[in-house]
Amino acid sequence: SQTIHQWPATLVQPVGSPLSLECTVEGTSNPNLYWYRQAAGRGLQLLFYSVGIGQISSEVPQNLSASRPQDRQFILSSKKLLLSDSGFYLCAWSEGQGAYEQYFGPGTRLTVT
Amino acid sequence: AQSVAQPEDQVNVAEGNPLTVKCTYSVSGNPYLFWYVQYPNRGLQFLLKYITGDNLVKGSYGFEAEFNKSQTSFHLKKPSALVSDSALYFCAVRDTARGGYGQNFVFGPGTRLSVLP
Repeated sequence: SQTIHQWPATLVQPVGSPLSLECTVEGTSNPNLYWYRQAAGRGLQLLFYSVGIGQISSEVPQNLSASRPQDRQFILSSKKLLLSDSGFYLCAWSEGQGAYEQYFGPGTRLTVT
Repeated sequence: AQSVAQPEDQVNVAEGNPLTVKCTYSVSGNPYLFWYVQYPNRGLQFLLKYITGDNLVKGSYGFEAEFNKSQTSFHLKKPSALVSDSALYFCAVRDTARGGYGQNFVFGPGTRLSVLP
């Protein structure tokens, strides 16, 4: 069966510091991968998605970037965090282009101080 | 453009009573529809989906949803609510006319369900 991991689970970082959040998927090949941000426990905002190694699309211009160095690894980064980067970051995966649902990781709670 | 509305910010129901969480959508083609549940500080869990076929879809934990094309709705239901069902529920839609990948997945704003003992 497939599983998705995210770490760290929680993170407190000062403004201006760098960020690296990691997501890995097990039990599937060539998944579509996604990074979402959820603010205030409500709606989800799609930040990035990837359909293959090195292929990243950004949905929203921002202070963040994403990379996919391996088939089942997706990394969210920032060179300098802003207060507004605080939130709950969710990684998700899906299969192919069809009707496939997305499966979410446990999330990372980021607080920028 | 595709969109999803969850008209109720909060739904309260007594344990043992039936529950309904409402969802309406707007797409240009045919919809693929999904429901997710989120417990505090956790990721979203997939409950069920409608792709085609029978309008009544059964999913995890005793939940079901009814697709109504004329009303563009996909309401989530459960015959008998449990206190443990208290969580945040998200409806999502993919517009088949847009093609592409999961970047065309649009989530509703969420409805908080509270089941009272």
